[in-house]
Amino acid sequence: AQSVTQLGSHVSVSEGALVLLRCNYSSSVPPYLFWYVQYPNQGLQLLLKYTTGATLVKGINGFEAEFKKSETSFHLTKPSAHMSDAAEYFCAVSDRGGATNKLIFGTGTLLAVQP
Amino acid sequence: EPEVTQTPSHQVTQMGQEVILRCVPISNHLYFYWYRQILGQKVEFLVSFYNNEISEKSEIFDDQFSVERPDGSNFTLKIRSTKLEDSAMYFCASSESGQTFQYFGPGTRLTVT
Repeated sequence: AQSVTQLGSHVSVSEGALVLLRCNYSSSVPPYLFWYVQYPNQGLQLLLKYTTGATLVKGINGFEAEFKKSETSFHLTKPSAHMSDAAEYFCAVSDRGGATNKLIFGTGTLLAVQP
Repeated sequence: EPEVTQTPSHQVTQMGQEVILRCVPISNHLYFYWYRQILGQKVEFLVSFYNNEISEKSEIFDDQFSVERPDGSNFTLKIRSTKLEDSAMYFCASSESGQTFQYFGPGTRLTVT
């Protein structure tokens, strides 16, 4: 069965600093991996996804993530944090072994950006 | 850009009452999903729906829950007799196929008192 672990429920960075949000996955089949962002009182917005092909994927708002099979990781990074990046970030894996590729989410990482 | 919409944005109900949460998926999408997020917890899968029937459901989705696509556009989640523990944010999602990523709606916050 697929699962996702997000290390660090809260991450705080200074504006302009590197953002690194960690995600490790477990999957018995080649995974489809996703990062979603949730701003306060809003829904889930897709940041980026990995399905096949290039292991470094670029998303919206300057975020990117690298799929590393050997480390079973899909960490999210952004070179320079902006105040508007403050939100909760969810890593998810698609249950490709199931009937309908439902998403299995991690517990989320709340990113705070300090001025 | 097409989007998934959900109504209402916030629903308050008393324990034991029935609620219906409504979603309008993206028009050419064929797969529909409901997820929920209890405050402070992770997003959990409830049910998926394809070709007018449930494809998969989680342990959470017991007999108190049902889904329906009453017409060509709406997708509803009904909770027959709400409990306090049903208080959560409920997200609807849709995808073009089972292999493509899911677009999420803004959610309905359900508060059971």
